[in-house]
Amino acid sequence: AQSVAQPEDQVNVAEGNPLTVKCTYSVSGNPYLFWYVQYPNRGLQFLLKYITGDNLVKGSYGFEAEFNKSQTSFHLKKPSALVSDSALYFCAVRDKGSSASKIIFGSGTRLSIRP
Amino acid sequence: DAGVIQSPRHEVTEMGQEVTLRCKPISGHDYLFWYRQTMMRGLELLIYFNNNVPIDDSGMPEDRFSAKMPNASFSTLKIQPSEPRDSAVYFCASGRGRTNEKLFFGSGTQLSVL
Repeated sequence: AQSVAQPEDQVNVAEGNPLTVKCTYSVSGNPYLFWYVQYPNRGLQFLLKYITGDNLVKGSYGFEAEFNKSQTSFHLKKPSALVSDSALYFCAVRDKGSSASKIIFGSGTRLSIRP
Repeated sequence: DAGVIQSPRHEVTEMGQEVTLRCKPISGHDYLFWYRQTMMRGLELLIYFNNNVPIDDSGMPEDRFSAKMPNASFSTLKIQPSEPRDSAVYFCASGRGRTNEKLFFGSGTQLSVL
C-alpha cells in the first residue's frame, strides 16, 4: 500500500529566508509525486510533480522539489520565502506500477512566513 | 472552464438527516475523486470513479456513505443518516488520464452535523 508522511505539522520561516517542507513516501514500485497548496477556504491547487527524469523539479510560484530515491523523500523548497507563501501544503503520491489511480495525500504542513 | 464546481458550499444539518453533496467535474476529465478533510485525519480519499464507474470505495467509512456518478458531468456523495462525526470539509477533484498528473479540486463543502 502506498503512503506519504509529512513529519512537521508547522514550519515557521522569516521572509526572505529559504524554506523546506519535508515529505517522505512509501510505494511498492516507482512513485509519481506531487505537491499541492491550500489557501484558507479554498480547494487544493497543484504546485508541481515528479514523474520521471531530473530529480529537481520546478513548479509554480518559485517552488521546487527534490526527488531522492534512496531516502524516499520529496522535499519542497524555495530559496526566498514570501509572506504570501503562508498556506497549508500537501505532499501526495501515486504508485506508478499500480493499475489503480489512487492519489494519497499526506497530513499537511502549515507554512507560516513572518515579515 | 469554470473548474470543478461543488454545492452547497456550506451545509448545516441535524443528526439523522440525509445529506447530499454535489460535484460537477471539469469537462473532458475521466477521473473523479471524493476526499474528506478533518483536523484529526487530514485528507482522506473516500472513493474514486473512472468513466463514471466506481473503481475503489475502500475509503468510504461506513454503509451510511454512498456515491454515484450517473453521467460524466455529475456526481453525488450521500450520507444517510448523518452523524456529528461526519462533520468535515468534503472535496471533489477531477483529473484526466490514468496517471492523473494534475488534479483539479473544487472549493469544498463544509458539512456540520449538529
